[in-house]
Amino acid sequence: DAGVIQSPRHEVTEMGQEVTLRCKPISGHDYLFWYRQTMMRGLELLIYFNNNVPIDDSGMPEDRFSAKMPNASFSTLKIQPSEPRDSAVYFCASSPAGVYGTDTQYFGPGTRLTVL
Amino acid sequence: GQNIDQPTEMTATEGAIVQINCTYQTSGFNGLFWYQQHAGEAPTFLSYNVLDGLEEKGRFSSFLSRSKGYSYLLLKELQMKDSASYLCAGMNYGGSQGNLIFGKGTKLSVKP
Repeated sequence: DAGVIQSPRHEVTEMGQEVTLRCKPISGHDYLFWYRQTMMRGLELLIYFNNNVPIDDSGMPEDRFSAKMPNASFSTLKIQPSEPRDSAVYFCASSPAGVYGTDTQYFGPGTRLTVL
Repeated sequence: GQNIDQPTEMTATEGAIVQINCTYQTSGFNGLFWYQQHAGEAPTFLSYNVLDGLEEKGRFSSFLSRSKGYSYLLLKELQMKDSASYLCAGMNYGGSQGNLIFGKGTKLSVKP
């Protein structure tokens, strides 16, 4: 299995521009998670999906952030407009269903976003 | 909300044993995960405890006490490649069933 795939791996953009991050989960996994990691705040859950349906988006910082999962093999995280404080590494993770909901989460390589 | 606490940094010597502690609020968590993250890379799964006691996996062991809200990761026969951040994460069994709440990680430096 190829694992979780994310693109792009690096993104540098200017403040005010739209940024779209992409994720392909591991085939057969029912759950997909978007995280943001910074030195100050650590790894924070932004939103997660179960069978393509958003379950909890309470971690999405504000309306500038949106996420979609149109099918079981693809998800996007969009920031519009981007701001310098959005600079971080964004990870996508997927997991199969487990007894208590999700099971072990497998992370993609991440997208390092820099907003100038 | 749920809090997960772990030391920020630790240093140990190659070949030694190190224990990384993690404490959390006892309500709402159903299971405790440990992940390893090398600098510039993604977190990778190490271990998962859902019941009290010790889970052993080669050089790595993880312990959980649910009543005390306490877990630790034990690394034996330390190697230089074990230098990484170790993230403790609780599985939230509450309203958002199944999502993980991560601690900020413990950066372990292994010295020769």
